[in-house]
Amino acid sequence: TQLLEQSPQFLSIQEGENLTVYCNSSSVFSSLQWYRQEPGEGPVLLVTVVTGGEVKKLKRLTFQFGDARKDSSLHITAAQPGDTGLYLCAGGGGGSSNTGKLIFGQGTTLQVKP
Amino acid sequence: NAGVMQNPRHLVRRRGQEARLRCSPMKGHSHVYWYRQLPEEGLKFMVYLQKENIIDESGMPKERFSAEFPKEGPSILRIQQVVRGDSAAYFCASSPRAQKNTEVGAFFGQGTRLTVV
Repeated sequence: TQLLEQSPQFLSIQEGENLTVYCNSSSVFSSLQWYRQEPGEGPVLLVTVVTGGEVKKLKRLTFQFGDARKDSSLHITAAQPGDTGLYLCAGGGGGSSNTGKLIFGQGTTLQVKP
Repeated sequence: NAGVMQNPRHLVRRRGQEARLRCSPMKGHSHVYWYRQLPEEGLKFMVYLQKENIIDESGMPKERFSAEFPKEGPSILRIQQVVRGDSAAYFCASSPRAQKNTEVGAFFGQGTRLTVV
């Protein structure tokens, strides 16, 4: 069974601080995605990484896929109150039987205080 | 181009009643995925359907839950004889093909929040 463990589960920081969220697994994934979810809404895709060692930047957000494609991290620089939300990582299966099913981590709830 | 549409947004049912959740995929998408989310948790895969076919239902509870995606009309997730433990947010995602879901990411609807009283 493929599992994704996210850490930390909860994070409360002050505006301007930096933070990193981790997503780890013992399984290899063909891709790793990060989503952000606001209360009462569906998850919104932030980024997809598919190559081991890949780094993608989205403004103040930096995403990295581990070399072995088993883990990923999300780093936010100078966090702002607008970054508050639930951050979810999700792994996509690989191989010839890729059905597109996603395995989600349990999420990291981020609160950024002004 | 409208996104994934789910309705209703909120649904309240008494224990023992039936709940029907609808999902209209994005235009041109023929693959639909249903996920369930409990409060403060990630999403759990339930079922993957193509038009008129169930491809993977490994995440569906064995009893009371069923899903369909007819040739015409939306995909339906049906929960019979609901119990309090069924209270959750149910999300639908669609894709033009299965592999696309993992290549570029999934696009989710806004979800249906089911409350069983």
